[in-house]
Amino acid sequence: EVQLVESGGGLVQPGRSLKLSCAASGFTFSNYYMAWVRQAPKKGLEWVATISTSGSRTYYPDSVKGRFTISRDNAKSSLYLQMNSLKSEDTATYYCARHDAGARYFDYWGQGVMVTVSS
Amino acid sequence: DIQMTQSPASLSASPEEIVTITCQASQDIGNWLAWYQQKPGKSPQLLIYSATSLADGIPSRFSGSRSGTQYSLKISRLQVEDTGIYYCLQRYSNPWTFGGGTKLELK
Repeated sequence: EVQLVESGGGLVQPGRSLKLSCAASGFTFSNYYMAWVRQAPKKGLEWVATISTSGSRTYYPDSVKGRFTISRDNAKSSLYLQMNSLKSEDTATYYCARHDAGARYFDYWGQGVMVTVSS
Repeated sequence: DIQMTQSPASLSASPEEIVTITCQASQDIGNWLAWYQQKPGKSPQLLIYSATSLADGIPSRFSGSRSGTQYSLKISRLQVEDTGIYYCLQRYSNPWTFGGGTKLELK
């Protein structure tokens, strides 16, 4: 059974940093692209970052490019999101998601972790 | 950026009814579209990918179609457990964008 378990969320002040983690199990982690998707309170979904199987390629929307860094450790079946220079608009539930075998869509999602950016 | 305009924003329907949700893409995205269901308090679940393909384990009551740059999700024989918010996602070009969501309630 595919499982994605996020951790590392919490309350952080504007301008500070936070690192999220996602522990994957139930599949061969190194074979899949992985992603982070967020959802602000009572709002819709926003794709945040994607990383290739080896970690050599990463993709971001402009809203987080230069502030967020996605990375992975295939030996530990773990995905990370380093978030720097956090803003109030980054407040959201952050989901770890697996891309499908063709690296197209998100086929499995974690339960999400809440990040609140506030002074 | 490609805009995905989803409609309606909300709808209420009775069990066994048929409902259709649409997403209009601001430009051609081919079949690079997926539909997700998010039940209250849960993470999203993939329903349809590549515009018309049913994801594993999803009931055949769900179906997807395309007409030009308009994409539709049809739910036949509505069940109580279909309550939730439905989102489309375009995977054609970066940034990959979701529609604004359609909240479905059962009467």
